[in-house]
Amino acid sequence: DGGITQSPKYLFRKEGQNVTLSCEQNLNHDAMYWYRQDPGQGLRLIYYSQIVNDFQKGDIAEGYSVSREKKESFPLTVTSAQKNPTAFYLCASRNPLNTEAFFGQGTRLTVV
Amino acid sequence: LAKTTQPISMDSYEGQEVNITCSHNNIATNDYITWYQQFPSQGPRFIIQGYKTKVTNEVASLFIPADRKSSTLSLPRVSLSDTAVYYCLVGDSYGGATNKLIFGTGTLLAVQP
Repeated sequence: DGGITQSPKYLFRKEGQNVTLSCEQNLNHDAMYWYRQDPGQGLRLIYYSQIVNDFQKGDIAEGYSVSREKKESFPLTVTSAQKNPTAFYLCASRNPLNTEAFFGQGTRLTVV
Repeated sequence: LAKTTQPISMDSYEGQEVNITCSHNNIATNDYITWYQQFPSQGPRFIIQGYKTKVTNEVASLFIPADRKSSTLSLPRVSLSDTAVYYCLVGDSYGGATNKLIFGTGTLLAVQP
């Protein structure tokens, strides 16, 4: 089935460690996005990529890094520089010529 | 990108029609209006998109006045399962210069029996 997959669903890490969240899509979409959502809040854009080997910072990119080496994959690394990394992370993809963005099921990251 | 303003929350009862309005005073000529629905601990799901006048699909209708400075998502005969957060987005959906998807705070719709 076509879709967008995030893994893992739950992730626990110690403070000060880097952690990488996976996002894979087989929808042949050019554009991919990472969002952060805190309890009771809306989605905030971290990074987005419109094409392979290219990405742009969103509104809250500090403490995060991404890569886009393949069209299907857009991993997000939460670095130790991110002061408050505990949150729900959502990945999305979209064909720029289409109307609809497809979201993964999210990764809930807890830093202890 | 045009900023959107929505009510933080709304209450309704099962079987009623619910209308959620979004203000976007700075909407640009090329901007489309898109609505998403999000359940707790899930990713948002596309509901409907429009440019002007009225758009209807199997789950909702979208009303956009001539000046396009606001839009109204209409959910007919809501049920308990429609309890969710609804987001209004405004932007160029057709590969324009800005391809961001910017979500606002959304409207929490609570449907009661």
